Amino acid sequence: DAMVIQNPRYQVTQFGKPVTLSCSQTLNHNVMYWYQQKSSQAPKLLFHYYDKDFNNEADTPDNFQSRRPNTSFCFLDIRSPGLGDAAMYLCATSRDNEQYFGPGTRLTVT
Amino acid sequence: GQQLNQSPQSMFIQEGEDVSMNCTSSSIFNTWLWYKQDPGEGPVLLIALYKAGELTSNGRLTAQFGITRKDSFLNISASIPSDVGIYFCAGLFGNEKLTFGTGTRLTIIP
Repeated sequence: DAMVIQNPRYQVTQFGKPVTLSCSQTLNHNVMYWYQQKSSQAPKLLFHYYDKDFNNEADTPDNFQSRRPNTSFCFLDIRSPGLGDAAMYLCATSRDNEQYFGPGTRLTVT
Repeated sequence: GQQLNQSPQSMFIQEGEDVSMNCTSSSIFNTWLWYKQDPGEGPVLLIALYKAGELTSNGRLTAQFGITRKDSFLNISASIPSDVGIYFCAGLFGNEKLTFGTGTRLTIIP
């Protein structure tokens, strides 16, 4: 049974056209994360929520925003995608120290 | 951001061989996590370690939390084709974000 669900799995957007990626979880974990992963690299943390408290990484571009309307759902908004934003976007959740990742959304920018 | 030194970067082995990889850090962690990532998918948690010296197994996988708290090891015994993928270590200290290793790409030669 899927515990961290990401939709869509593949997303194509045009340069500069806003896009939203979604994540949901059935684990009832209080912490949710968004990571960006480029080819052959480790995941890079963009931001995370501890309950409703939002924590932005210092080097996350302003182009990236997030919303967490409730415990189960979290969204990643890219306001004006550039070619350099093409990547795999991973959502993860944790309660204690173990992080569980979703299957990811592969974003292509044309 | 900070990354752990993970080695080897890649491995080419024959089916049935044992595999060893490790991660080292200049700073201590109080949790070590090992993940496997298949192409186009999110990382899957394999083993979590919480105590210095701890040795934990998950089927054919065995991982150890180094006694200095600055390193961790993962062994895979009797490799099979589905072991192919990228393995990441990740360290955690307190409530800080996960620090990922650079990854080990495992390829099995027919």
